[in-house]
Amino acid sequence: LAKTTQPISMDSYEGQEVNITCSHNNIATNDYITWYQQFPSQGPRFIIQGYKTKVTNEVASLFIPADRKSSTLSLPRVSLSDTAVYYCLVGDLQESGAGSYQLTFGKGTKLSVIP
Amino acid sequence: DTGVSQDPRHKITKRGQNVTFRCDPISEHNRLYWYRQTLGQGPEFLTYFQNEAQLEKSRLLSDRFSAERPKGSFSTLEIQRTEQGDSAMYLCASSLGLAAYNEQFFGPGTRLTVL
Repeated sequence: LAKTTQPISMDSYEGQEVNITCSHNNIATNDYITWYQQFPSQGPRFIIQGYKTKVTNEVASLFIPADRKSSTLSLPRVSLSDTAVYYCLVGDLQESGAGSYQLTFGKGTKLSVIP
Repeated sequence: DTGVSQDPRHKITKRGQNVTFRCDPISEHNRLYWYRQTLGQGPEFLTYFQNEAQLEKSRLLSDRFSAERPKGSFSTLEIQRTEQGDSAMYLCASSLGLAAYNEQFFGPGTRLTVL
């Protein structure tokens, strides 16, 4: 399984764009990059997933360079309610992929949004 | 609300007692996962079911832990002879599909405190 590295914590003011970068130097060809968000005392929530280039949904954008050794989760105009832990995960969507039976979470990035 | 429910939300027990948690997944989801999360850490995989079959167990799941998913519907996680080290948040997730990196929907968790 590809190991991921992301900052332990980040602070941002309300209204700013926040970019959280995740490194995954040994990402495999079949691996996808997935981000989850977790609020205190709640289970994680799927935010976005991508394989290459850029993916955008109503919540966030995910930028993946051509070498796929890193990815950046972009949250536009954050509000206080975006204060949470954000997890970057890398894994295979195929049934038979290595580690296909589990998600492997690291410690995530604790984002604090300041008024 | 993700559609995954867990019961109870909180459980306080004395060391040596047995506890059982229940998870009700989204009805059409074929995969069900159990994770454990301690303070400051990301969720750790415990076990998963594909329909009623338990296909993988983590080495974290000692002999005191057992999980079932009768008829491929709800699931229970039982911990026998609880220890203080079992204190954690126990999370359940479900998904549709055959790979862990398909979007998983997490429940709110059961917080276990062992005195």
